[in-house]
Amino acid sequence: DIQMTQSPSSLSASVGDGVTITCRASQNIRNFVNWYQQKSGKAPTLLIYGASTLQSGVPSRFSGSGSGTDFTLTISSLQPEDFATYYCQQTYSAPRTFGQGTRVEIK
Amino acid sequence: QVQLQESGPGLVKPSETLSLTCTVSGGSMNSYYWTWIRQPPGKGLEWIGYIYSSGATNYNPSLKSRVTISLDTSTNQFSLKLTSLTAADTAVYYCARDHGWYSTGYYFLDYWGQGSLVTVSS
Repeated sequence: DIQMTQSPSSLSASVGDGVTITCRASQNIRNFVNWYQQKSGKAPTLLIYGASTLQSGVPSRFSGSGSGTDFTLTISSLQPEDFATYYCQQTYSAPRTFGQGTRVEIK
Repeated sequence: QVQLQESGPGLVKPSETLSLTCTVSGGSMNSYYWTWIRQPPGKGLEWIGYIYSSGATNYNPSLKSRVTISLDTSTNQFSLKLTSLTAADTAVYYCARDHGWYSTGYYFLDYWGQGSLVTVSS
């Protein structure tokens, strides 16, 4: 199985801050990475697929980059509704594993 | 708008079998992968497996010996069976649609159910 390791596991930030979350794959997965946001008690929602393509309706302050083994999700200016847990997922091969999540909290 | 809704028992006894159904509305089941994911309380997401509209399946090796996913396109439903339950199977179970394009290889979970909490306890 391909392991996806996210860092940090949690972070504290203020509204307006820029935030970067990293996901590292245990092998080359080209750019087959998705990012999801999960708010407390809710199902995850898709933010980015193909490492960098923004899903329709997702605000442009979210962006993704990377290829091979290293990927990042960036939020350019945190908004109150962005405080949530974020997960990466690889779709290079089955099982389509997720990272362990990064919790973004209010400072 | 595509919607997914899980249904099934909220409490199951150890050693028994979990059966969950996901009902899809607002769209066709053809040409998609229909996926189950679970999330133990306070923990991360675990991919269980999927079934393609043709009936082909792919399961997480860690669960493969206990999992069956089936599909009934006539009723717009797909189902999960998980046998030999233990407390470690306690989780919120989500169904989701895996959408993508063979030409690019990009696949992603674009519609999710609200989740169904299943507790394994005697």
